Amino acid sequence: DTEVTQTPKHLVMGMTNKKSLKCEQHMGHRAMYWYKQKAKKPPELMFVYSYEKLSINESVPSRFSPECPNSSLLNLHLHALQPEDSALYLCASSQDTGGYTFGSGTRLTVV
Amino acid sequence: QKEVEQDPGPLSVPEGAIVSLNCTYSNSAFQYFMWYRQYSRKGPELLMYTYSSGNKEDGRFTAQVDKSSKYISLFIRDSQPSDSATYLCAMGPYNQGGKLIFGQGTELSVKP
Repeated sequence: DTEVTQTPKHLVMGMTNKKSLKCEQHMGHRAMYWYKQKAKKPPELMFVYSYEKLSINESVPSRFSPECPNSSLLNLHLHALQPEDSALYLCASSQDTGGYTFGSGTRLTVV
Repeated sequence: QKEVEQDPGPLSVPEGAIVSLNCTYSNSAFQYFMWYRQYSRKGPELLMYTYSSGNKEDGRFTAQVDKSSKYISLFIRDSQPSDSATYLCAMGPYNQGGKLIFGQGTELSVKP
């Protein structure tokens, strides 16, 4: 299994909603990442988990809350988002012998 | 100055052409280099990964790294319409748990 699986693929949420994005990998990778990508821009790093501990937080607003329940799963909890948070949210994983593998992303629209 | 510079294009070539995509970087700490292909509304797909200067070949793709010049390239031979996508270079100081820095991406169109 060489995939990173993200659910849901699409999400529309209101500014008062609470939702979660999920990411799963079974490649035994011990580092997992959340990236945000706006149209025609490169992905921007949000969070890094290394061995299930948060190691990098790129000054992301607290309305985004990451969680790593185990070595295969990564969640991103969303609350009180703004319309400008609409973007493609990408999960990735890596290990020390290869590149970063990205999922297909969750396309989030905040209304 | 951005840490990674990549010509955004767009780049249009005829089918069968050799395509050259390039990135320059300024941070000497970067040791791991990757090229991704991203189709519209999809996640980035890892094409090539390398950590040493020199060439690495995989099918129609060749990645080239010159650490002394801080310059990396991706060559695509016998380009196909299915290669039409945005190509992103990415690099970082280490491969696990580090911050991967992306170039702006080059939009490539291969015309039949």
